[in-house]
Amino acid sequence: GQNIDQPTEMTATEGAIVQINCTYQTSGFNGLFWYQQHAGEAPTFLSYNVLDGLEEKGRFSSFLSRSKGYSYLLLKELQMKDSASYLCAGMDSNYQLIWGAGTKLIIKP
Amino acid sequence: IAGITQAPTSQILAAGRRMTLRCTQDMRHNAMYWYRQDLGLGLRLIHYSNTAGTTGKGEVPDGYSVSRANTDDFPLTLASAVPSQTSVYFCASSGGENNEQFFGPGTRLTVL
Repeated sequence: GQNIDQPTEMTATEGAIVQINCTYQTSGFNGLFWYQQHAGEAPTFLSYNVLDGLEEKGRFSSFLSRSKGYSYLLLKELQMKDSASYLCAGMDSNYQLIWGAGTKLIIKP
Repeated sequence: IAGITQAPTSQILAAGRRMTLRCTQDMRHNAMYWYRQDLGLGLRLIHYSNTAGTTGKGEVPDGYSVSRANTDDFPLTLASAVPSQTSVYFCASSGGENNEQFFGPGTRLTVL
């Protein structure tokens, strides 16, 4: 079957670094996506990885290991506005996204 | 219009009523999707359309129907609403450099 696993909730301190992990099982693989979703709003695209390694985009980085079925999202210099849910999604062989339930990130001052 | 719009923003509906959720995009994306999002669960795909004139069933299609008469519009219809269809519904389209999905603002539907 297809499955995406990520922690339900994480807490971090303003200014710190946090890593949100995601493991995936998909039928075929066409990339791994991370989205940010603030409460009451729509998900917005953060990053995409299809090859192994780290993709850096400002304060956010995303890593992929295809052999391990593993990805993480790294957020640096945390700001209060980063409090949100972070959704991991794997794209299967039909180019459909399989979504995790999301990780709620709580930032404390 | 910029991106994807959905209507209504929210709706309270009596069980057994018919309801159509509207979705329009102006990005000329070929693929469009309808998801529902429930607390503690990931986004679940209801129906999708890879191009105008074609539709397909997702993970949870029962009780829902869609049509795709043109590129821009992708309405979702609940023929006879039931309380288990209470949810937040998101419409999305895909395009861009990485074929990422872009989401509308969502419709919050309550079926009583």
